[in-house]
Parts: sequence; structure tokens; C-alpha cells
Amino acid sequence: ILNVEQSPQSLHVQEGDSTNFTCSFPSSNFYALHWYRWETAKSPEALFVMTLNGDEKKKGRISATLNTKEGYSYLYIKGSQPEDSATYLCALPNRDDKIIFGKGTRLHILP
Amino acid sequence: KAGVTQTPRYLIKTRGQQVTLSCSPISGHRSVSWYQQTPGQGLQFLFEYFSETQRNKGNFPGRFSGRQFSNSRSEMNVSTLELGDSALYLCASSLAGGGPDTQYFGPGTRLTVL
Repeated sequence: ILNVEQSPQSLHVQEGDSTNFTCSFPSSNFYALHWYRWETAKSPEALFVMTLNGDEKKKGRISATLNTKEGYSYLYIKGSQPEDSATYLCALPNRDDKIIFGKGTRLHILP
Repeated sequence: KAGVTQTPRYLIKTRGQQVTLSCSPISGHRSVSWYQQTPGQGLQFLFEYFSETQRNKGNFPGRFSGRQFSNSRSEMNVSTLELGDSALYLCASSLAGGGPDTQYFGPGTRLTVL
């Protein structure tokens, strides 16, 4: 069974500070990783899909990197803003193409 | 382009009853997946439908079933409801499904079983 771990579970960050968190996964049989942002009372929103070792993706102040050899991806947020408060989920397909989600990192931005 | 829609948004049922949830995908998307979200468990994969066929199934009992119609709309059915079925049920659509395909989520149906 594919195990997708996210850490930390919860994070409080001062507005304006930068932060990052991790998604860990088994490095064997990798072929894609997704990051989603899930704001309260909204639907999960796709941020990035990453497929190649060394991939770096950027969307405004948010960026992500991927290391498939060691089995992790980092999500970075630069200069956190209140609207960044959300749960960030990573997800990977297992060998049967079922999408397995991590439990998420809940980010709180403090004013 | 309209997003993924789910109906109803909220539902209250009692144990033993059955329930049907509906999901309309983004136009042109042929894959629809269903997920259950409960506190502490995160998003759990229920099943995926593509071109009216169930392509994948998660580890849920047979009380959970679904189907997909020719217009890609999908329904999920839960029979003989249990208290533990109280959850947020999300559907997500994508062009063709599969690992690298981005999924677009609906707003969810909040099911409460009393």
C-alpha cells in the first residue's frame, strides 16, 4: 500500500514570513505527484503536478520541488499572506492508478 | 467553463437508509472519481469511473457503489447507512484519469447519518 506522509501536520506562520513543508513517499514506482490547496468551505484546488526528478514548479509566491530518488517533495510559500491559510495536500497514484492523498499540512497565517 | 457540481450539498439520513449523491463533471472530462473525507482520515479514494465503466475501486464495503452515465455524470450510492458513513463526499473530474492528470474537485456533499 502506498504511504504518503505529510509533515508537519499543522503550522502557524507569521504574516510575511516564508515557510515550507514536506510530502514523503516511497521512491519506487513513482510517476506523478500532485499538490492541492484546500481552503475552508471551498473545493480542493490543484496547484502543481510534478512528474520528473528535479522538477521545480512555481505559481506566484508558491513553489514546489521534487526528489523522486529520495522520495520527497517540498512546497514553499514566500512572504505568507492571510489568503494562504489552507490545508495543503499532496497526492500520488499507486501502481493501480488509485490516487492516494496524504493527510495534509494545515497552514495558519497569523496577522 | 462551468466547474464540477455536486448535489445535494447537505443531506441528513438515519441509519439503515440509503442515499444517492450526484456529480456533474466539467464538460469534456470523462473520468470521475469519488472520495470520502472524515476528520483524521483525510481523503480516501472510493472509486473512479471512465466512459461508464468502473476503472478503479478503493477499500470500501460493497454498500458503496456508483455508476456513470453516457454524459459522464456520475452517481454514488450508499445503502444501509451506518453512523460511520457521516462524512464529506467529494467528486473530482479529469480529462482521462490516470496518474498525471489533474483532478478538479466539486464542492462536496456533506452527509450526516443519525
